[in-house]
Amino acid sequence: AQSVTQLDSQVPVFEEAPVELRCNYSSSVSVYLFWYVQYPNQGLQLLLKYLSGSTLVKGINGFEAEFNKSQTSFHLRKPSVHISDTAEYFCAVSSGAGSYQLTFGKGTKLSVIP
Amino acid sequence: NAGVTQTPKFRVLKTGQSMTLLCAQDMNHEYMYWYRQDPGMGLRLIHYSVGEGTTAKGEVPDGYNVSRLKKQNFLLGLESAAPSQTSVYFCASSLPHNRLREQYFGPGTRLTVT
Repeated sequence: AQSVTQLDSQVPVFEEAPVELRCNYSSSVSVYLFWYVQYPNQGLQLLLKYLSGSTLVKGINGFEAEFNKSQTSFHLRKPSVHISDTAEYFCAVSSGAGSYQLTFGKGTKLSVIP
Repeated sequence: NAGVTQTPKFRVLKTGQSMTLLCAQDMNHEYMYWYRQDPGMGLRLIHYSVGEGTTAKGEVPDGYNVSRLKKQNFLLGLESAAPSQTSVYFCASSLPHNRLREQYFGPGTRLTVT
């Protein structure tokens, strides 16, 4: 079985400050990890994904995430946030060679303060 | 190319009424999914389909039925709506045997059961 824990339900941060949104996963097999963003009253949009290879993954809108197998983490970072980054962020995991199902975390609401 | 569309966008039902939510995708994706999103719960998989004519249960299937008669459409039915089914419903689709494993989401249907 696979699971995802997003350690913070809400993260307030001032504009132009750095931010880290934390995600830990559990799985007994190889994993594929994703971060999705949901802007108010919209669907989910893929920010970035880790499938294999380099553990540092760069995504859209200046976000990046680092896969850490020993710590079973996939934290999302941005060096300088903008008001437009205010949204809810979801970490998700898909594990196993034949599975295409995603298990989502409960989400982290990022609020950027002017 | 509209991607994934959902009909309707909003709906209010009374307890015991029935309805069908329609999901359509024009990307020729083989796999389709229905999720529900509740505050603080993230997204939870209701049912999914790996191809035309096939469906399977996800994490929270009780009270819902699905059908995939055409490859591009995935229907979610509520036979007798309950207040606990008040939620935002998202449909998603993806390609099989795809190393990208990315799911594409629709804009959501907000359902209120009174």
